[in-house]
Amino acid sequence: QVQLKESGPGLVQPSETLSLTCTVSGFSLTSYGVNWVRQPPGKGLEWMGTIWNDGSTDYNSALKSRLSISRDTSKSQVFLKMNSLQTEDTAIYLCARVGESTWYFDFWGPGTMVTVSS
Amino acid sequence: DTVLTQSPALAVSPGERVTISCRASESVSTLMHWYQQKPGQQPKLLIYLASHLESGVPARFSGSGSGTDFTLTIDPVEADDTATYYCQQSWNDPPTFGGGTKLELK
Repeated sequence: QVQLKESGPGLVQPSETLSLTCTVSGFSLTSYGVNWVRQPPGKGLEWMGTIWNDGSTDYNSALKSRLSISRDTSKSQVFLKMNSLQTEDTAIYLCARVGESTWYFDFWGPGTMVTVSS
Repeated sequence: DTVLTQSPALAVSPGERVTISCRASESVSTLMHWYQQKPGQQPKLLIYLASHLESGVPARFSGSGSGTDFTLTIDPVEADDTATYYCQQSWNDPPTFGGGTKLELK
């Protein structure tokens, strides 16, 4: 069955770089795109970016200067790197698969909490 | 960016019919999707392309609308439906989410 699971450090210092991994199973990254979405505590969902099945990427313009998404298809992993972290980047970070027909999210990982604090 | 506006909260009794609305700041055709998020869990896709029921989702859930006005209906509501419901559009780049509607059961 389709599964996604995020992993990474729970705590990041301000101004440092966040690195997260989304490990997928049950589908191929060359067939489906994967997104990163974040959710500050008690707040709504924010789309961050997508890596499509062909390896191309799209980013939220508000984050584009700080964000990079890449993948390793042989390991079924998608990576997020975001630099210059601030306290407002504290959130649950989730990866989600793109649906078959358009830009919706049909399977989600459980998310990983990232706290930005010194 | 396309702004999606949802009512913040609703309270209904089990067995009733509830409609959750989502209004877009510009047309999104029928590229509107709905998610359910229970506390401490990831979102779950309920409805895609405005009215298509995701596999495994109970037929109590339905969606309708086009252009700028969309509705998620739950009929009848059950206690397990307590959650926050988000709409999301994919017609305009970037994809955006509504602020969520928290559904409480009386």
